[in-house]
Amino acid sequence: DTAVSQTPKYLVTQMGNDKSIKCEQNLGHDTMYWYKQDSKKFLKIMFSYNNKELIINETVPNRFSPKSPDKAHLNLHINSLELGDSAVYFCASSQYGTEPDGYTFGSGTRLTVV
Amino acid sequence: QKEVEQDPGPLSVPEGAIVSLNCTYSNSAFQYFMWYRQYSRKGPELLMYTYSSGNKEDGRFTAQVDKSSKYISLFIRDSQPSDSATYLCAMSATSGSRLTFGEGTQLTVNP
Repeated sequence: DTAVSQTPKYLVTQMGNDKSIKCEQNLGHDTMYWYKQDSKKFLKIMFSYNNKELIINETVPNRFSPKSPDKAHLNLHINSLELGDSAVYFCASSQYGTEPDGYTFGSGTRLTVV
Repeated sequence: QKEVEQDPGPLSVPEGAIVSLNCTYSNSAFQYFMWYRQYSRKGPELLMYTYSSGNKEDGRFTAQVDKSSKYISLFIRDSQPSDSATYLCAMSATSGSRLTFGEGTQLTVNP
C-alpha cells in the first residue's frame, strides 16, 4: 500500500529514557514532517525536511533530534524523555510546491512517558 | 493569541442535521485554507481546500472562505454517523509553506 508508515504505533517508556520513532513514505514525495498533537488535539509542526535538508525547525527542545537518511525516511530521536513529551507524534509527507494536494499523514505514534 | 482559533466543541447533532464548523485567523498572509478530518486513533486526512476567498463544494461538504473577515467555514449537509470525527482547519501562506492548524472540533452525529 502507498502510505506514510510510522513505527511503533504505541510507545510507553519511563522518564529519562531515550527513544526513537521511525517514519517511511513510499509516495515519492520530497518533503517530510514531524507534528506533535497534544491531548487537546492541537496539531503543531516540529520539523520539516526537503530532500534530506532541514527547512523548518520550530521552537523544540534540543532533546528532539530529527534525522533524514534519505528523502523517503525521517526519524525522530528523543533524549531524556519528560512527562510533557507524552503526545501523539505524526509524520507527514508532501511534494514540495504542490501542497495542499497530496499532503499525507501517517497514523501516528502514541507516546506515553511515565 | 493563537494564529488560528477553532471552537473545540464537542458538537453533537442528530443524523440528517446541517453542521457548521468555523475557524477564525489573524494572519492576513494565509492564502490556502484546508479542512482535515481525523478519525479516532488515525492521522488527519485532507477533506477539501480552498485557495483565497470563495466557496467550494464537494458532495455534502461546502467550504467557505471570507478573507475580509478572516473567517472560514465548513458545512456538512445531511450529516451521517460516519461523519463523526474531529475536524481540523489548517492554513498556509503559500503552497509549500508550513501548515498552521486550529485546535480541531470534535463532532458526533447520532443515529
